[in-house]
Amino acid sequence: GENVEQHPSTLSVQEGDSAVIKCTYSDSASNYFPWYKQELGKGPQLIIDIRSNVGEKKDQRIAVTLNKTAKHFSLHITETQPEDSAVYFCAASRLNRDDKIIFGKGTRLHILP
Amino acid sequence: NAGVTQTPKFRVLKTGQSMTLLCAQDMNHEYMYWYRQDPGMGLRLIHYSVGEGTTAKGEVPDGYNVSRLKKQNFLLGLESAAPSQTSVYFCASSYGQIGGYTFGSGTRLTVV
Repeated sequence: GENVEQHPSTLSVQEGDSAVIKCTYSDSASNYFPWYKQELGKGPQLIIDIRSNVGEKKDQRIAVTLNKTAKHFSLHITETQPEDSAVYFCAASRLNRDDKIIFGKGTRLHILP
Repeated sequence: NAGVTQTPKFRVLKTGQSMTLLCAQDMNHEYMYWYRQDPGMGLRLIHYSVGEGTTAKGEVPDGYNVSRLKKQNFLLGLESAAPSQTSVYFCASSYGQIGGYTFGSGTRLTVV
């Protein structure tokens, strides 16, 4: 089955700098890669996703890149702000089947003042 | 539009007691899921359902049972709670083959 590895587990970034979280997946048939943000005391919320027919997707300050050959994808947050402090989860699945989303173990992002 | 609602939000159980966690969604989603979240372990799938009347085991199903009698509701039961089941439980729903999950706000369960 699919296995998703996420790094780093903790990341501290100065406010205004960029943050990058990286994930690798094992199933070459995976074709859907969502990212979730979990704020303290809340459930995870989908912030951006990418499908395997696209190499990069951007939404304001966040972007995701996908390298299908290397089987890795990354989340990039630019101009970080205090409200970006949260736990971020990457995930992978085969969207054209009834496969479940497999999550990475999460990255706790701290934005330092 | 409430999305995914979980009840209760907090619960303390004694070892051996039973309880049911309720998840309700108003988005007409076919698929529903129960996850548990523990420090350093990420989100682990307990059970899931691909439609009304169906259930299936996830990664960590032991000690839990589920039922999906109505499309909008997904119940998670603990028949005999153990301290190892102390966790935060999240319910999620999705259209299935279309895309991402919508999560509830979680239930924090402590078993003493």
